Amino acid sequence: EIELTQSPATLSLSPGERATLSCRASQGVSTSLAWYQHKPGQAPRLLIYDAFDRASGIPARFGGSASGTDFTLTISSVEPEDFAVYYCQQRYDWPLTFGGGTKVEIK
Amino acid sequence: EVQLLEYGGALVQPGGSLRLSCAASGFTFSSYAMTWVRQAPGKGLEWVSCISGSGTGTHYTDSVKGRFTISRDNSKNTLYLQMNSLRVEDTAVYYCAKGADASRYHFDFWGQGTLVTVSS
Repeated sequence: EIELTQSPATLSLSPGERATLSCRASQGVSTSLAWYQHKPGQAPRLLIYDAFDRASGIPARFGGSASGTDFTLTISSVEPEDFAVYYCQQRYDWPLTFGGGTKVEIK
Repeated sequence: EVQLLEYGGALVQPGGSLRLSCAASGFTFSSYAMTWVRQAPGKGLEWVSCISGSGTGTHYTDSVKGRFTISRDNSKNTLYLQMNSLRVEDTAVYYCAKGADASRYHFDFWGQGTLVTVSS
């Protein structure tokens, strides 16, 4: 099973700051990695797929990058509506797995 | 507009059974893989099961193999999850989600979830 380790567990930021979220895979997943945003009581929302590609309707301030087994979600300037939990997910091999999540909270 | 509506969640005793359903609309249901993902109280997202667009390919996380069965009725645009031998640790909000296409298993639309509580 491919493990995804997300860091940090919690990120405390003020609106307008840059957010950098990390996801490390226990083995190679090529670029078969997605990022989701999840707010309490709401459905998760796909942000990034195939490591780099923004999903439909996702603002340009969200970006994905990759280097080997290390993946990064960057929010260039955090907006008030971006405070949420973010998960990475690999689709490279079965079973599909999610990371443990990073909570982006208001500082 | 894509819509996914889960229903069937309930309070059930350990060892009991439950069938979840997910009614889909706004897209050609048979052309897309579908999945169930759950979130236990205070925990993160956990993938449970996937099914291909045709229904011929299914996959499960180890902890539910032999107990849960995913299926779909493409004539009714509905996804199912039959859950047997339920355990306390199966307590969670269960989400259905739509695959990006027939074979790429990232998920571009999600339902609001249905709560399953396993308790005596």
